[in-house]
Amino acid sequence: GQQVMQIPQYQHVQEGEDFTTYCNSSTTLSNIQWYKQRPGGHPVFLIQLVKSGEVKKQKRLTFQFGEAKKNSSLHITATQTTDVGTYFCAGRPYNTNAGKSTFGDGTTLTVKP
Amino acid sequence: KAGVTQTPRYLIKTRGQQVTLSCSPISGHRSVSWYQQTPGQGLQFLFEYFSETQRNKGNFPGRFSGRQFSNSRSEMNVSTLELGDSALYLCASSPGQGLTGELFFGEGSRLTVL
Repeated sequence: GQQVMQIPQYQHVQEGEDFTTYCNSSTTLSNIQWYKQRPGGHPVFLIQLVKSGEVKKQKRLTFQFGEAKKNSSLHITATQTTDVGTYFCAGRPYNTNAGKSTFGDGTTLTVKP
Repeated sequence: KAGVTQTPRYLIKTRGQQVTLSCSPISGHRSVSWYQQTPGQGLQFLFEYFSETQRNKGNFPGRFSGRQFSNSRSEMNVSTLELGDSALYLCASSPGQGLTGELFFGEGSRLTVL
């Protein structure tokens, strides 16, 4: 079945440093979504990428979808303490069935002030 | 517009008991999916319902079941509870089926099995 791998599992950074999490799928994806879960909270949708090679920005966050639509990344520039949380990617397989929602295991970001 | 509502928020059960969790999606959303979240295990997909039909199912034993009603509200049931079933159970709704659009998550139901 489809697998979505996310690395790293944990990332500790000093405030102001950059942060990147990577998501890799074993199969070609129709789209990929990113979610953020604050400690003690629930996942909140950040963005959806659909097109091959797509790049989207949200302030300090940059999201990329690979050319082969099998990988994606989320990059945060100059992290702040408000960026703390776990970032999940979720990939939708590229087949006729809408398919299961497959989430990566998440990358937990801690930011030291 | 009200968000996704899950009840109960917290519950404690003992091994062998059964539990029913409820999820009310955002008004107008026809898809409801359920996830199990445990520390270090990420979000494990349980099942997805769309228009009262189970469309997809994850790799969980038959003790885990669910259903969706005509008003799109959904319930999931876990029978013969085991210690390993302790987790946060998250429900998510969306207007369409599968990852066709944003998933809106509820606060979750935190189940502790003793």
